[in-house]
Amino acid sequence: EVHLVESGGGLVQPGGSLRLSCAASGFTFSSYGMNWVRQAPGKGLECVSFITAGDTIYYADSVRGRFTISRDNARDSLHLQMNSLRDEDTAIYYCARTGDCNHGVCSDAFDIWGQGTMVTVSS
Amino acid sequence: DIQMTQSPSSLSASVGDRVTITCRASQSVSRYLNWYQQKAGEAPKLLIYAASSLHSGVPSRFSGGDSGTDFTLTISSLQPEDIGTYFCQQTHSNPRTFGQGTKVEIE
Repeated sequence: EVHLVESGGGLVQPGGSLRLSCAASGFTFSSYGMNWVRQAPGKGLECVSFITAGDTIYYADSVRGRFTISRDNARDSLHLQMNSLRDEDTAIYYCARTGDCNHGVCSDAFDIWGQGTMVTVSS
Repeated sequence: DIQMTQSPSSLSASVGDRVTITCRASQSVSRYLNWYQQKAGEAPKLLIYAASSLHSGVPSRFSGGDSGTDFTLTISSLQPEDIGTYFCQQTHSNPRTFGQGTKVEIE
């Protein structure tokens, strides 16, 4: 069964750092693009960063220069290093897989999601 | 950035009702439009990809449609387990953006 499990969230002071991890199982991790999506309490969804199977990386403007995404294909894991954290980074952080094309239909939809890990930035 | 605007922001309907949610893109996203369902306390789940393709395991009462930059998610017969918030998402351009969500409740 395909699974994504996030870890590493917690309470951190403004200006601090956290490293999130996402452990993948049940699929060939190295063949898929992966994403970090966050959801502030009671709010909508925001794509924070993604890394393709070919290691192309993208960051949202809100985190560029502070967050770093990486993947370890040998360990089937995705990471998000978060530095210079701000109050507005408080959110549940989900990792999500970019799905395959299906019968020739492609849309880069996020077909598998983890359960999320909570990050709280507060003094 | 491409703005995705959903309507309504919330709705209340009876079991068995036909329910339609609309998502409008601020510019063309072709058919790179996906729909997700999020139940309280859970992660989102993919329902529809490429505007109208049903994701594996999703009940056939869910369907997606499109007309230019306007997209629809329809639940043909609302069931109690369908309560939650529904989000559209465009994956045509970076940043990938979501609509603000539509909360669906049972009357």
